[in-house]
Amino acid sequence: GEDVEQSLFLSVREGDSSVINCTYTDSSSTYLYWYKQEPGAGLQLLTYIFSNMDMKQDQRLTVLLNKKDKHLSLRIADTQTGDSAIYFCAESTSNTGKLIFGQGTTLQVKP
Amino acid sequence: NAGVTQTPKFRVLKTGQSMTLLCAQDMNHEYMYWYRQDPGMGLRLIHYSVGEGTTAKGEVPDGYNVSRLKKQNFLLGLESAAPSQTSVYFCASSYPGDRPEQFFGPGTRLTVL
Repeated sequence: GEDVEQSLFLSVREGDSSVINCTYTDSSSTYLYWYKQEPGAGLQLLTYIFSNMDMKQDQRLTVLLNKKDKHLSLRIADTQTGDSAIYFCAESTSNTGKLIFGQGTTLQVKP
Repeated sequence: NAGVTQTPKFRVLKTGQSMTLLCAQDMNHEYMYWYRQDPGMGLRLIHYSVGEGTTAKGEVPDGYNVSRLKKQNFLLGLESAAPSQTSVYFCASSYPGDRPEQFFGPGTRLTVL
């Protein structure tokens, strides 16, 4: 069945780049997403990429998609303490928009 | 635009009690979803709806029912709450087709004793 896997924790220094990785199993994914969740809050859509794209850049965020390896990554340049949160990778494989989420990666940014 | 709102924000139930969670969106979205989030896990889809009057089961539907009588509202019901349903519940909505952004509400934290 469909499965999305993420590493659970990443710690970086302020100003460094962060790279959060995700793997998925369903080759029929249409869109892949990155969401951010701050403590006690809902999910904020950061960015998404269509499955026929390799890369998408949006200000400090760069998404890379390797469809052959079913690997998605999110790079945050110049990471700030305000970037500390849980980051979820998700895939959509049907025209109903249902999302399959990974477990989330907790990003800790040290000053 | 309020976006996606959820009522209530917090609730404590005793085992066997019933309740309804309300989700409302003002973006004229066709699709609406209910997810639950448990510690250390991602969100899992409970039920979803692709239009007014239609509902379908997601990954973990047991113990829940839903209704979509109006396009802007999606209700999640627990008929007989169990401790295993202690969770944070998120509602989301989206357009169909090539506008894939899914917008989430702030969540409802439910504790079943």
